[in-house]
Amino acid sequence: GAGVSQTPSNKVTEKGKYVELRCDPISGHTALYWYRQSLGQGPEFLIYFQGTGAADDSGLPNDRFFAVRPEGSVSTLKIQRTERGDSAVYLCASSLMDRGTEAFFGQGTRLTVV
Amino acid sequence: GNSVTQMEGPVTLSEEAFLTINCTYTATGYPSLFWYVQYPGEGLQLLLKATKADDKGSNKGFEATYRKETTSFHLEKGSVQVSDSAVYFCALDLEGGSYIPTFGRGTSLIVHP
Repeated sequence: GAGVSQTPSNKVTEKGKYVELRCDPISGHTALYWYRQSLGQGPEFLIYFQGTGAADDSGLPNDRFFAVRPEGSVSTLKIQRTERGDSAVYLCASSLMDRGTEAFFGQGTRLTVV
Repeated sequence: GNSVTQMEGPVTLSEEAFLTINCTYTATGYPSLFWYVQYPGEGLQLLLKATKADDKGSNKGFEATYRKETTSFHLEKGSVQVSDSAVYFCALDLEGGSYIPTFGRGTSLIVHP
């Protein structure tokens, strides 16, 4: 595609529910990153994929968060038993995975847990 | 650990004023350094980058020089415009196999006519 696409753009869910956030990266980009951005803060790293595998998931805050990228392209971030503190903008980025390479970001999914 | 520290915002300037947004970093090894910009209602996008010491990145009138001795990458522009109003993020990526960009907290710039 022309850019990184994230769906939905907005998601409102009730506390305790399960949500899935989707990211469609730029075609040919092997690296895919998920970040979380709270108001007034910079993007906070969650997880990084190189191809199909999660190469670094050290940023996931707890075991309620999980992400997959089964075919090395589209990725889904899954959040179980959502909490109000999970409310944030979830950003996806992709890149060619090389030193000094630009990361291309999607518009983000704004998640609100009520 | 590896981190980026940016000056607190918001930075409020009049049009045609000189802009400096400070950024310092802590990293093991030799990172590449970036400035990303987020315009209102838009996603993050790369503004400029530098991949080694003493390199200068430039774009749209903005410049930043990779200073290894002071571990800094300050963003400058000689004459800002209202359209430069945005949030600016300093970032680094790390040599050594996994180039995961690490971001500062962002600095909001507001330019008045």
